[in-house]
Amino acid sequence: EPEVTQTPSHQVTQMGQEVILRCVPISNHLYFYWYRQILGQKVEFLVSFYNNEISEKSEIFDDQFSVERPDGSNFTLKIRSTKLEDSAMYFCASSEAYLDTQYFGPGTRLTVL
Amino acid sequence: AQSVTQLGSHVSVSEGALVLLRCNYSSSVPPYLFWYVQYPNQGLQLLLKYTSAATLVKGINGFEAEFKKSETSFHLTKPSAHMSDAAEYFCAVSPGNTGNQFYFGTGTSLTVIP
Repeated sequence: EPEVTQTPSHQVTQMGQEVILRCVPISNHLYFYWYRQILGQKVEFLVSFYNNEISEKSEIFDDQFSVERPDGSNFTLKIRSTKLEDSAMYFCASSEAYLDTQYFGPGTRLTVL
Repeated sequence: AQSVTQLGSHVSVSEGALVLLRCNYSSSVPPYLFWYVQYPNQGLQLLLKYTSAATLVKGINGFEAEFKKSETSFHLTKPSAHMSDAAEYFCAVSPGNTGNQFYFGTGTSLTVIP
């Protein structure tokens, strides 16, 4: 069964460093998403991406965040200058169509020291 | 604003007992509703979804949920709990009229007691 994959599973970085989290969505899906879950809190939407551009973003998704689909398979989330409060589990998701079921990857645990 | 409330951050049931996990939503229009399960160190797996068809929705692993518009609820149930059901359960709403994002509840951790 097709699934969303994410790498790395765990990333440790120093405050102020740039990180790139990678995702491979399900191959025939057209909509891509990033969510995050701070430990003990709810899963929060960051951004959605369709047709090579951002279609929606939340207040959390400020200028330090960016997303890209550099090739036909990968979907990346870049955090330019990490802060302590960026420590969280980051989930990638994809869906075949608008308002369709979103399928989630296993997540990347980001730890900012 | 859209929101999802899951009553009870921790629920414990005995093996073989009924599982009931509560979810209430706020939405100005009938939403799409989802239940996801997260096993330790894994991602979110879709259990079931409601998309304005039948109000009683059956999902995987024997779970089902009923959409009750009058109560703005979408509670998850399973007649008989198994040890393998121990996990974190998340209710999510996709409002449909304000974009494509999902709004998640805070999750309910289910413990099954042998």
